[in-house]
Amino acid sequence: AQRVTQPEKLLSVFKGAPVELKCNYSYSGSPELFWYVQYSRQRLQLLLRHISRESIKGFTADLNKGETSFHLKKPFAQEEDSAMYYCALSIQGAQKLVFGQGTRLTINP
Amino acid sequence: EAGVTQSPTHLIKTRGQQATLRCSPISGHTSVYWYQQALGLGLQFLLWYDEGEERNRGNFPPRFSGRQFPNYSSELNVNALELEDSALYLCASSSYRPYEQYFGPGTRLTVT
Repeated sequence: AQRVTQPEKLLSVFKGAPVELKCNYSYSGSPELFWYVQYSRQRLQLLLRHISRESIKGFTADLNKGETSFHLKKPFAQEEDSAMYYCALSIQGAQKLVFGQGTRLTINP
Repeated sequence: EAGVTQSPTHLIKTRGQQATLRCSPISGHTSVYWYQQALGLGLQFLLWYDEGEERNRGNFPPRFSGRQFPNYSSELNVNALELEDSALYLCASSSYRPYEQYFGPGTRLTVT
């Protein structure tokens, strides 16, 4: 079965500290993973995808197939990073996204 | 570029009634997805429509149904409402890259 697990519902760090939001997945096919973000009073939006190996707003995420993980990282957190973050797995052929439960990140000043 | 729009913003129904939720995708997008975000359950995939056809559905009972119109807008219908149907219903649209889904603001359905 396809599953995405985000073990932390809440994560709180201080401004300037490193951030790591954990994501683990279970999928028998070739995984395509994404991070979506929802800022306060805004819509859910795509943050980054593993295929592009890009850095968006200072965030990066590396797909580790051995550990079936796709953790989101940022070396120095900023207050505007406070948001709800969802890890998502794209199911080939079914064209649907399987989302994790989400992690609410709070950056303290 | 106008984003995905959904109506109504809020909907209050009583148990047993029917609810109809509407979604207009981004211009040029042919695929529409529906998700349910219930408290504590995260985002659950409901339905995918493309080119007017239902292409895939999630693990929801048949009383959750919908359709896509020729202009690619979509309706989600929930029949015989139950209390546990209370949730935020999100619509998303995409073009040829299904993972790059653009979400609407959602419709908050409350069943009393």
